[in-house]
Amino acid sequence: DSGVTQTPKHLITATGQRVTLRCSPRSGDLSVYWYQQSLDQGLQFLIQYYNGEERAKGNILERFSAQQFPDLHSELNLSSLELGDSALYFCASSPGGAGETQYFGPGTRLLVL
Amino acid sequence: QKEVEQDPGPLSVPEGAIVSLNCTYSNSAFQYFMWYRQYSRKGPELLMYTYSSGNKEDGRFTAQVDKSSKYISLFIRDSQPSDSATYLCAMTGGAGSYQLTFGKGTKLSVIP
Repeated sequence: DSGVTQTPKHLITATGQRVTLRCSPRSGDLSVYWYQQSLDQGLQFLIQYYNGEERAKGNILERFSAQQFPDLHSELNLSSLELGDSALYFCASSPGGAGETQYFGPGTRLLVL
Repeated sequence: QKEVEQDPGPLSVPEGAIVSLNCTYSNSAFQYFMWYRQYSRKGPELLMYTYSSGNKEDGRFTAQVDKSSKYISLFIRDSQPSDSATYLCAMTGGAGSYQLTFGKGTKLSVIP
């Protein structure tokens, strides 16, 4: 158990809908990272937050957004969902902002029908 | 050319074998190198972390980094059926570069 928690574990929704994925980092970690894992693309970095502020952005679509709250938990919002958004979404955390040792949560499996 | 290349396998070995997993990369700015293990439908688990070139050993696992060749390896000695998983290499440039760039993973099966 990495200490990173993610909810929900599974999510099934329809195209065009909006969902919110939640992540709680390990105790004491200030950084939260979001990744998308699909069969063809592998693990792709989406976005990082450090102590409430956006720190780095990767291949995140404009339909996706995230935020980190004062208690350091983070939410990833996915809107106008498409079939191709079906994937595993992972959250990771690290103590600081350098990102070199990241601990991953169990993931949220999203299925868009 | 992808930034990180990793043979997807699958790789099947008998129990007790030595396993060699490898990644090559193109970005010379990468300084931190990691290996993650991912069991089916689970989150990646950090196995090894290495800074710059050199070797690091932890139990049955040895990580090697050769920055001159842009090549990293993970060796597993006395492989066990419980080692059956997908192994992902990951790397980052460190200060000013926070995201991990992952290989696509090598699926390993250790046969009893």
